[in-house]
Amino acid sequence: GAVVSQHPSRVICKSGTSVKIECRSLDFQATTMFWYRQFPKKSLMLMATSNEGSKATYEQGVEKDKFLINHASLTLSTLTVTSAHPEDSSFYICSCSGQGNEAFFGQGTRLTVV
Amino acid sequence: GQQLNQSPQSMFIQEGEDVSMNCTSSSIFNTWLWYKQDPGEGPVLLIALYKAGELTSNGRLTAQFGITRKDSFLNISASIPSDVGIYFCAGNSGGSNYKLTFGKGTLLTVNP
Repeated sequence: GAVVSQHPSRVICKSGTSVKIECRSLDFQATTMFWYRQFPKKSLMLMATSNEGSKATYEQGVEKDKFLINHASLTLSTLTVTSAHPEDSSFYICSCSGQGNEAFFGQGTRLTVV
Repeated sequence: GQQLNQSPQSMFIQEGEDVSMNCTSSSIFNTWLWYKQDPGEGPVLLIALYKAGELTSNGRLTAQFGITRKDSFLNISASIPSDVGIYFCAGNSGGSNYKLTFGKGTLLTVNP
């Protein structure tokens, strides 16, 4: 399958700071990228959908000013958690889809806000 | 919105046993996908299904896209310890942005 690289895999930050997570599709052009949040032992919760060159579409209940998404190219999307607080601690995962009917996931980022 | 019911929630089996899990949907899907997630990792695609009635295998894994397009199952034969993980079904109802709806997952434990 296609390769999606997510970075960093783990990050610890202080409360009030911002954290940027990158998602790259390495061997295909991702027209659409998705950002998910996953709580322990739970399923993936879709946060937002982003298409290259346009504003992201956020799911209900997800603050767009809190979780900034940029999809500047067909191979890169970033999620910035702004003014992070302990309740933002979670596992964040991106996925990418190209012209096929499949979606491939990054390795995930474990965010811990202290 | 769309909902996926995945069962069972968890399974404890002995090495060598066969496993079956399934997902049902309240609405029709055009694509069914099955993923496996190891702890601390992102989900990895196991099998993708595109047509109602389709039966697809990937090694010891077999999955089927239900005729009604509202269900799918995944079978694992002759389980081994490395099959341990969480298995998710996911469905897509179509559209250009390929948004997936996920089941709640099945936690599989394999005892050697």
